Amino acid sequence: DIVMTQTPLSSPVTLGQPASISCRSSQSLVHTDGNSYLNWLQQRPGQPPRLLIYQISKRFSGVPDRFSGSGAGTDFTLKISRVEAEDVGVYYCMQTTQFPRTFGQGTKVEIK
Amino acid sequence: QITLKESGPTLVRPTQTLTLTCTFSGFSLGTGGVGVGWVRQSPGKALEWLALIFWNDDRRYSPSLKSRLSITKDTSKSQVVLTMTNMDPVDTATYFCARESNCGGDCYSADFWGQGILVTVSS
Repeated sequence: DIVMTQTPLSSPVTLGQPASISCRSSQSLVHTDGNSYLNWLQQRPGQPPRLLIYQISKRFSGVPDRFSGSGAGTDFTLKISRVEAEDVGVYYCMQTTQFPRTFGQGTKVEIK
Repeated sequence: QITLKESGPTLVRPTQTLTLTCTFSGFSLGTGGVGVGWVRQSPGKALEWLALIFWNDDRRYSPSLKSRLSITKDTSKSQVVLTMTNMDPVDTATYFCARESNCGGDCYSADFWGQGILVTVSS
């Protein structure tokens, strides 16, 4: 199985300031088709996960442009350009390059 | 509008078999490039992927739970059913169903999720 490791596990952020979350995979996420299938999910308190980013950097429908994804190979990053109150929650990276699908441990974003 | 909803027992006794149903709308599992899967989350813990079934009946399982899991679909009812045998208190979790859809080529993403159902395993 591909192990996904996120850092930090907790990220206190001031409103309006940026936040960054890293995700590292234990092996390359490059698929045989040449693409990498790394996703970012947001889970607000008491809510199910919500897809934010797929294929490293593509924003899902309705996701604000303050969210951006980058990376390649085994190292990926989610950035929030200016954190808003509604961004509080836990963020997970998830790989869909191969089975079984695997998730990172989650990073809790909270307001200072 | 795409929705998914989980249903099933909220309390299960140890050693019993859990059967959960995901009823969805807004898409069809008869359409190519679509799958419905299950993910669980123990209280205060991270997400754990369990199983997925595709439109073509291709089924995938978590290797660590494969011997206990079975996933099936009823396309006409827009339902996917997950069964998990020999339930244990450590299986207490919120169980989510989620759609995986093709995002181009071999790209799949879990784009829509149900609200989840909390299943407690206790005698």
